[in-house]
Amino acid sequence: DVVMTQSPLSLPVTLGQPASISCRSSQSLVYSDGNIYLNWFQQRPGQSPRRLIYKISNRDSGVPDRFSGSGSGTDFTLKISRVEAEDVGVYYCMQHTHWPWTFGQGTKVEIK
Amino acid sequence: EVQLVESGGGLVQPGGSLRLSCAASGFTFSYSWMNWVRQAPGRGLEWVANIKEDGSEKYYVDSVKGRFTISRDNAKNSLYLQMNSLRAEDTAVYYCVGGVEYWGQGTLVTVSS
Repeated sequence: DVVMTQSPLSLPVTLGQPASISCRSSQSLVYSDGNIYLNWFQQRPGQSPRRLIYKISNRDSGVPDRFSGSGSGTDFTLKISRVEAEDVGVYYCMQHTHWPWTFGQGTKVEIK
Repeated sequence: EVQLVESGGGLVQPGGSLRLSCAASGFTFSYSWMNWVRQAPGRGLEWVANIKEDGSEKYYVDSVKGRFTISRDNAKNSLYLQMNSLRAEDTAVYYCVGGVEYWGQGTLVTVSS
């Protein structure tokens, strides 16, 4: 199975400051069609996960532009340019290039 | 508006069975891979199973192979998960997921004596 390793696992951030979460895969996520199926999800307290980013860097509809994704190969990053109170929650990277689809452990973002 | 509504969760004894259902609306169900993802209390997310648009392909995480069966009824826009031989470690909120982007609110399955 592809292991997705996130860091840090806990991220205290000051409101208005940037935040960055790293995700590393144990093997290449390039699919046979040339795409890399790497997603980022946000799970607010008490809510279902919500996809923010697909195929490394594409924002889903309605996702604020302060969220951005980047990366290549086996290293990927989610950045929040200026953290707002509503960004508190757990963030997961996830790959669906290989079966079984796998998630990172999650990074808990909280306000300092 | 996309809606995925799970039902069928509850308390079951170890070794017992449950059947989860998911009613989908607001997107083209019959054109979408469908999935079950679970989250144990206080833990992360785990992909459990998925099924191709026409039901011809199904995949399962190793821990549920031979015990869980995913199925769908495109005429009813519905997804199912038959869970047999349940274990304590199957205790989790089970989410119905359309494609990768559409998530239901989840249904809690508790396996305990």
